[in-house]
Amino acid sequence: GESVGLHLPTLSVQEGDNSIINCAYSNSASDYFIWYKQESGKGPQFIIDIRSNMDKRQGQRVTVLLNKTVKHLSLQIAATQPGDSAVYFCAERSGGSYIPTFGRGTSLIVHP
Amino acid sequence: GAVVSQHPSWVICKSGTSVKIECRSLDFQATTMFWYRQFPKQSLMLMATSNEGSKATYEQGVEKDKFLINHASLTLSTLTVTSAHPEDSSFYICSATKTGQPRTDTQYFGPGTRLTVL
Repeated sequence: GESVGLHLPTLSVQEGDNSIINCAYSNSASDYFIWYKQESGKGPQFIIDIRSNMDKRQGQRVTVLLNKTVKHLSLQIAATQPGDSAVYFCAERSGGSYIPTFGRGTSLIVHP
Repeated sequence: GAVVSQHPSWVICKSGTSVKIECRSLDFQATTMFWYRQFPKQSLMLMATSNEGSKATYEQGVEKDKFLINHASLTLSTLTVTSAHPEDSSFYICSATKTGQPRTDTQYFGPGTRLTVL
């Protein structure tokens, strides 16, 4: 469901490192998951998605892993670059709704 | 592509005034658009679902008389914040899904509008 928090979790990495951003979801009925990237002062940007019949999906420099047993989702970014610095949100959807529920978000800071 | 624009990108207004924010799908038709509000360092919270030619569906806790939504065409939805107060200051983001696509289709987000109420 929706999460509201005063502080975003932060992940700091060095340029060139791999980054792993985690997300826990609570709805067992969720069958579609999306990762968004939001840069400061901008709207969310679609990165990658995965359906519940898969446990891994790869894109360009990004991989999403889904573990339905523990209701956990992760986004892996390879060779992280300063331009990857942003807030990353996971979102979940269940078959009965086409409206995603956004997770809390993680702030990724990439140091040159 | 699937581009969604918002206007204005930022607005400052006095308390008690009304502010209109536009959301446009530039290269596709959108039967359904969504309005979100985002406070600093927080997640996106869905305010309402806007359907072309019909009344918007508001989420629980969102005052429909305060946040007026109009979706008069397949490419334009507007959000009017009436009698704005400082607590309405936030980042308002719209999104849209393409007409004719399955309901499971992804949403395309606009760049957001920063509202500051003095």
